[in-house]
Amino acid sequence: AQKITQTQPGMFVQEKEAVTLDCTYDTSDPSYGLFWYKQPSSGEMIFLIYQGSYDQQNATEGRYSLNFQKARKSANLVISASQLGDSAMYFCAPAGAGSYQLTFGKGTKLSVIP
Amino acid sequence: DTAVSQTPKYLVTQMGNDKSIKCEQNLGHDTMYWYKQDSKKFLKIMFSYNNKELIINETVPNRFSPKSPDKAHLNLHINSLELGDSAVYFCASSQAGIYLYGYTFGSGTRLTVV
Repeated sequence: AQKITQTQPGMFVQEKEAVTLDCTYDTSDPSYGLFWYKQPSSGEMIFLIYQGSYDQQNATEGRYSLNFQKARKSANLVISASQLGDSAMYFCAPAGAGSYQLTFGKGTKLSVIP
Repeated sequence: DTAVSQTPKYLVTQMGNDKSIKCEQNLGHDTMYWYKQDSKKFLKIMFSYNNKELIINETVPNRFSPKSPDKAHLNLHINSLELGDSAVYFCASSQAGIYLYGYTFGSGTRLTVV
């Protein structure tokens, strides 16, 4: 079974500051994708950003970017200029090319302080 | 024009009852999933169907039974509900090549067994 580690159960960040949420994974697939989802207190699961294992550049989507270190099997999510609306649970989920499912990490609860 | 819709959004019921949760997607995806999110926010896969065929059947009590009448629908029926079944249940769908595209989630069904 795929192992995903999100080492920070909870984090606090000051509004307008940047924050990094950690994710490491264990896969033997040479081709894989790495997804991050956000779950605000309203409960829905929102796709944030995707990184492919063969992508040459780190993924970016607006204020979200990935610090992808393939050799270390880590894909940390960086949120720049945090906003109050960023307060949520964040889940990392890798999937190998042979996968039929996403397996989710335990999540990190981010709280943005005004 | 909701992509993945689940009904109902909230379900409160007594122990021992039987209930169903419905899920429909209009994305043309081939694969659908049911996940359970417990009180600690851990997301665990329960079932997956690909073109109406069951492809993932995790260890869940046989009181839980999925049904897929066509590839756009995946319903979850739960018999003899127990207190421990209280959770949020998410439906999701994906197209082929999950490691490239990830999931689109429904908004979740919060089940409370009293």
